[in-house]
Amino acid sequence: GAGVSQSPRYKVAKRGQDVALRCDPISGHVSLFWYQQALGQGPEFLTYFQNEAQLDKSGLPSDRFFAERPEGSVSTLKIQRTQQEDSAVYLCASSPDRGSNQPQHFGDGTRLSIL
Amino acid sequence: QKEVEQDPGPLSVPEGAIVSLNCTYSNSAFQYFMWYRQYSRKGPELLMYTYSSGNKEDGRFTAQVDKSSKYISLFIRDSQPSDSATYLCAMSLTGANSKLTFGKGITLSVRP
Repeated sequence: GAGVSQSPRYKVAKRGQDVALRCDPISGHVSLFWYQQALGQGPEFLTYFQNEAQLDKSGLPSDRFFAERPEGSVSTLKIQRTQQEDSAVYLCASSPDRGSNQPQHFGDGTRLSIL
Repeated sequence: QKEVEQDPGPLSVPEGAIVSLNCTYSNSAFQYFMWYRQYSRKGPELLMYTYSSGNKEDGRFTAQVDKSSKYISLFIRDSQPSDSATYLCAMSLTGANSKLTFGKGITLSVRP
């Protein structure tokens, strides 16, 4: 498909485990964003990449959260030593170019449940 | 207090009604304003995008921005059951492809 693809769609992990969430942006999109959406809340910004450069990570809630985009396309959000409060939907969005002011296109998210 | 506040829901209206959804914000530096629609277990999809104050119309949807009051609205005319979803307002300092700050969202149900 032509949209933003996220995998897995659902992830269940035990507290303390590490998890990795994958985002495949729309082909050619330069900008990539990660958001966290808690139940009944709006998405909250986590981090932003322009190509492979992580330009803003101000929203990452702790040093247990780490994101990368090594080749400027696929991105991975990793959460180490998961806690129950990490349970949320993690959304990825991409847009063509920071200068074009084109809106972000969102994937359907990964629903993470920490037991 | 959050930067963006959205009217609490849920909201239930009969088919054909006019729906008004509202958000207020505290950061006067916000310049770009968006409304997203989110169906259950799906990602947000962009409905309307406006820059600064004014109105924008697209089919049955009208977005209004009043920067002096720090208030934005989305109006849906002739509402349809397919409009049943969660509506999120979002705003940014520097553009639609920059960090977005979202409201909490309001769940709308349109009864046939």
